[in-house]
Amino acid sequence: DAKTTQPPSMDCAEGRAANLPCNHSTISGNEYVYWYRQIHSQGPQYIIHGLKNNETNEMASLIITEDRKSSTLILPHATLRDTAVYYCIVSTNAGKSTFGDGTTLTVKP
Amino acid sequence: GAVVSQHPSRVICKSGTSVKIECRSLDFQATTMFWYRQFPKKSLMLMATSNEGSKATYEQGVEKDKFLINHASLTLSTLTVTSAHPEDSSFYICSARLAGSQETQYFGPGTRLLVL
Repeated sequence: DAKTTQPPSMDCAEGRAANLPCNHSTISGNEYVYWYRQIHSQGPQYIIHGLKNNETNEMASLIITEDRKSSTLILPHATLRDTAVYYCIVSTNAGKSTFGDGTTLTVKP
Repeated sequence: GAVVSQHPSRVICKSGTSVKIECRSLDFQATTMFWYRQFPKKSLMLMATSNEGSKATYEQGVEKDKFLINHASLTLSTLTVTSAHPEDSSFYICSARLAGSQETQYFGPGTRLLVL
């Protein structure tokens, strides 16, 4: 599985956009980039995924660079409830995924 | 949609006993389910991949006789921790893959196991 690298922690002011970067320089052509988040003592929550095009849903936007070696998750208007650990992973066709350490996002009032 | 449940949410047991954890996909069929464990302040660690109707595939270092996995139907996978010891205390999380969804996994809420 491709490995991902994320900053260990980030802060964001409430109401501002949170931009979470992820490096996945060894990603293969058929591997998707997934983002999940985990709030303390809960199971991870699916946020968004993409292959090569930018994606947007009701939760977030995903920007993938043209060479696919990195991506950015954007939470357009962060709220206190967005405080969580955010995981960027790449997934093989078999669906097997390796979780890295993620980024702890703290949204501050 | 795509809801996954786990039961129980937390369990306390005595050392030497066995504990069964259930993972159910409530509104979709899942040919593949995954089992993870997570220690405090650590990331998720994949234990095994569970395929309906076949034997589970375990990750390196995970004892298959210790962590028995059964995936008897398209909506249910079970993890049994046999002869539990205090070091098995952890947060166990399952996920189910929605077929045709580009491999998106949907996670259960987790089961916290404490072995005394």
